[in-house]
Amino acid sequence: EAGVAQSPRYKIIEKRQSVAFWCNPISGHATLYWYQQILGQGPKLLIQFQNNGVVDDSQLPKDRFSAERLKGVDSTLKIQPAKLEDSAVYLCASSLDLGEPYGYTFGSGTRLTVV
Amino acid sequence: AQSVSQHNHHVILSEAASLELGCNYSYGGTVNLFWYVQYPGQHLQLLLKYFSGDPLVKGIKGFEAEFIKSKFSFNLRKPSVQWSDTAEYFCAVNANNQGGKLIFGQGTELSVKP
Repeated sequence: EAGVAQSPRYKIIEKRQSVAFWCNPISGHATLYWYQQILGQGPKLLIQFQNNGVVDDSQLPKDRFSAERLKGVDSTLKIQPAKLEDSAVYLCASSLDLGEPYGYTFGSGTRLTVV
Repeated sequence: AQSVSQHNHHVILSEAASLELGCNYSYGGTVNLFWYVQYPGQHLQLLLKYFSGDPLVKGIKGFEAEFIKSKFSFNLRKPSVQWSDTAEYFCAVNANNQGGKLIFGQGTELSVKP
């Protein structure tokens, strides 16, 4: 079974620039998550999709972060404009359905450095 | 608000030593509990999980964890660690009424000396 694919693996940008991350979940997984992992901390949920609808985006800084999951498959997470504190690893995960957290599969993440 | 606390930030052990990593959570309702491992340069992988039933859960690579409801704890154990267990370990909680959302602890870095 193919895993969760994320790209790019690494990105370095200057503050105030914009950046986008892409995620391709496991085929058939209805639920998709974006987590932010700051160095020295555990991952924190940014947004959760069920198919192409948003379930939870309460922790997403909506003034600068946006995410979409068109057609209920791939997803993109965008930051515009980036701040220094956005430096982190952005993890995408997917699961079969909303009520199945035990079925989570994580991608390898995108490491963002904002300078 | 829910939170997860891992007692140790960095643990250093010699091979064959026993391991216990602490995890406590704050949530009064029904929870699902997880331990994830992240080897250097790799993605998060599930070690073990607890949903219900026997509070002693066995996972992959000889790891086990015990859910003690009265203490809101889910400590991870391994009787004899190997150098290959060097990694970061994360405890996570999912509340039954919050869909698939996971709340993670801050992680414990384990270094095993050969």
